[in-house]
Amino acid sequence: DIQMTQSPSFLSASVGDRVTLSCKASQNINKYLAWYQQKLGEAPKLLIYNANSLQTGIPSRFSGSGSGTDFTLTISSLQPEDVATYFCLQHNSWWTFGGGTKLELK
Amino acid sequence: VQLVESGGGLVQPGKSLKLSCSASGFTFSSYGMHWIRQAPGKGLDWVAYISSSSGTVYADAVKGRFTISRDNAKNTLYLQLNSLKSEDTAIYYCARKGDPGYYFDYWGQGVMVTVSS
Repeated sequence: DIQMTQSPSFLSASVGDRVTLSCKASQNINKYLAWYQQKLGEAPKLLIYNANSLQTGIPSRFSGSGSGTDFTLTISSLQPEDVATYFCLQHNSWWTFGGGTKLELK
Repeated sequence: VQLVESGGGLVQPGKSLKLSCSASGFTFSSYGMHWIRQAPGKGLDWVAYISSSSGTVYADAVKGRFTISRDNAKNTLYLQLNSLKSEDTAIYYCARKGDPGYYFDYWGQGVMVTVSS
């Protein structure tokens, strides 16, 4: 089974900050990684698929990069509405989620 | 796209429950669909998938106990949960297969299932 490890588990940042979240796979997953945002009480929302493809309607301040085992989600300028938990999903071999990063405002 | 789960609740160990996911805003019959769950304080776990042609696959933890199905005429996805265990306690989400690709592009808000005596 492929294990997904996200870091950090918790992040506090200020409005306007550049924020970088990490997701590491236990083996090569090629480009098959997605990123999701989940706000309290809401359905998860797809942000990025295939490592770096921005889902329709998602602001361009969100971007994804990486391939193989190391992946990154970047928010170029943090906005108050970005407070949420972010998690990654590998869809190369079955489906496995990372444990999530909880992002809050400083 | 809208996905709305229903059918959750409190159930005793060993009993059964059937979850539903009502879909709208897209051609339901053309898409594969998933169930995913999240136990309290835990991460997300994929549970089951049904393709547009009704082929199915399951996570090992639920194989033989859970059954995923669909009714395209009713635009509804189902998950039959049998022989429930306390470790099945979770929020259950339905999600649509991405197009193209095997990620999940739209999710419902989830329904709570609590297995307890």
